[in-house]
Amino acid sequence: KAGVTQTPRYLIKTRGQQVTLSCSPISGHRSVSWYQQTPGQGLQFLFEYFSETQRNKGNFPGRFSGRQFSNSRSEMNVSTLELGDSALYLCASSLGVTGGRDEQFFGPGTRLTVL
Amino acid sequence: AQKITQTQPGMFVQEKEAVTLDCTYDTSDQSYGLFWYKQPSSGEMIFLIYQGSYDEQNATEGRYSLNFQKARKSANLVISASQLGDSAMYFCAMREPRGNTPLVFGKGTRLSVIA
Repeated sequence: KAGVTQTPRYLIKTRGQQVTLSCSPISGHRSVSWYQQTPGQGLQFLFEYFSETQRNKGNFPGRFSGRQFSNSRSEMNVSTLELGDSALYLCASSLGVTGGRDEQFFGPGTRLTVL
Repeated sequence: AQKITQTQPGMFVQEKEAVTLDCTYDTSDQSYGLFWYKQPSSGEMIFLIYQGSYDEQNATEGRYSLNFQKARKSANLVISASQLGDSAMYFCAMREPRGNTPLVFGKGTRLSVIA
């Protein structure tokens, strides 16, 4: 069974640009979550999509958005990039079951550098 | 309020020795799940072990075991017979299943295994 894939793996952008990151979950998984990881703030939750609907949202500005397609693939978009958006963006997929163990499996991440 | 606390920023252990990585958590819910992840320098988060709040026995997965002390709200990871490949960041995380809340991560512990 293929794992979670993320594209691209590395990205360099300049301030003010926008960027779109892609995540393909494990087959059969309906939940996709996105996290931002920085040395200063650690791992912070961005949002979760389940069956094409945003189910949870972290405390990030509206410049960060996402969506999920009918095949469970997800994209996240960051508009008007700032230097502070430089980070490793991790995508995780899971079955999305509630009320108990719901392991999240992570992709290799996209390392975004904003110049 | 921080929900997961990992007090050891860095740890060293001799190869083949056992090591304990600390994790304490804070929640008012009776039902929750605790997870440990490993993050090598490549960046991908690897799921290691899970402990449910109602599980009566401590979780074990190969060389990984969890020392779960519910009254003290601690869920320490024990790695037996350390190997050089165990050198990585280790993150403790918690999820409160009620309301499909997202995973909340600690700041992590960097483990270095010495030959």
